[in-house]
Amino acid sequence: DGGITQSPKYLFRKEGQNVTLSCEQNLNHDAMYWYRQDPGQGLRLIYYSQIVNDFQKGDIAEGYSVSREKKESFPLTVTSAQKNPTAFYLCASRPRILGIGETEAFFGQGTRLTVV
Amino acid sequence: AQSVAQPEDQVNVAEGNPLTVKCTYSVSGNPYLFWYVQYPNRGLQFLLKYITGDNLVKGSYGFEAEFNKSQTSFHLKKPSALVSDSALYFCAVRDGGPVSGGYNKLIFGAGTRLAVHP
Repeated sequence: DGGITQSPKYLFRKEGQNVTLSCEQNLNHDAMYWYRQDPGQGLRLIYYSQIVNDFQKGDIAEGYSVSREKKESFPLTVTSAQKNPTAFYLCASRPRILGIGETEAFFGQGTRLTVV
Repeated sequence: AQSVAQPEDQVNVAEGNPLTVKCTYSVSGNPYLFWYVQYPNRGLQFLLKYITGDNLVKGSYGFEAEFNKSQTSFHLKKPSALVSDSALYFCAVRDGGPVSGGYNKLIFGAGTRLAVHP
């Protein structure tokens, strides 16, 4: 089945550690996104990528890093510089739009990161 | 700057009654509007979208939404609520400016928790 897969579902991090969250899609989508979800704050954009080997900072990129070496994969690293990393992280993808039109984003099932 | 507001943190409805979840937006250019639903510890599921055309948009699971340009609103509605509709609902907007690959950012509201009581 086509879809977008995030792993792991739950992740525990010690203070000062870097951790990497995986996001893989087999939908042949060009654009991929990482959002952070905190209670009462909705979804905030961390990074997004429009094409392989290119990505842009979102609204809360500090303390995070990404790479886009393959179209299918957009891993997110939460570095030790992120002071409050405990949150639910969501990855999404969308196809490239040519001409007039719009499509919805497809979301993974999320990774819950907890600092212990 | 583009933004989305969902003025209600929670909406409570009795099963069988109509429901409305409110959303207002602010964008430059034409808005592209979306509704998503989220169940606990899961990703977001797409419900419906407004791009152009009829102001009343029909979507999944019996939901519909009405686009009102003068009031900059895109309220989600359902004629008869089910207990299984209880979830977190997000409104989102993308700036509908000149299409150049369609990569404009999606901006989400804070979410509204819908509780449908038996």
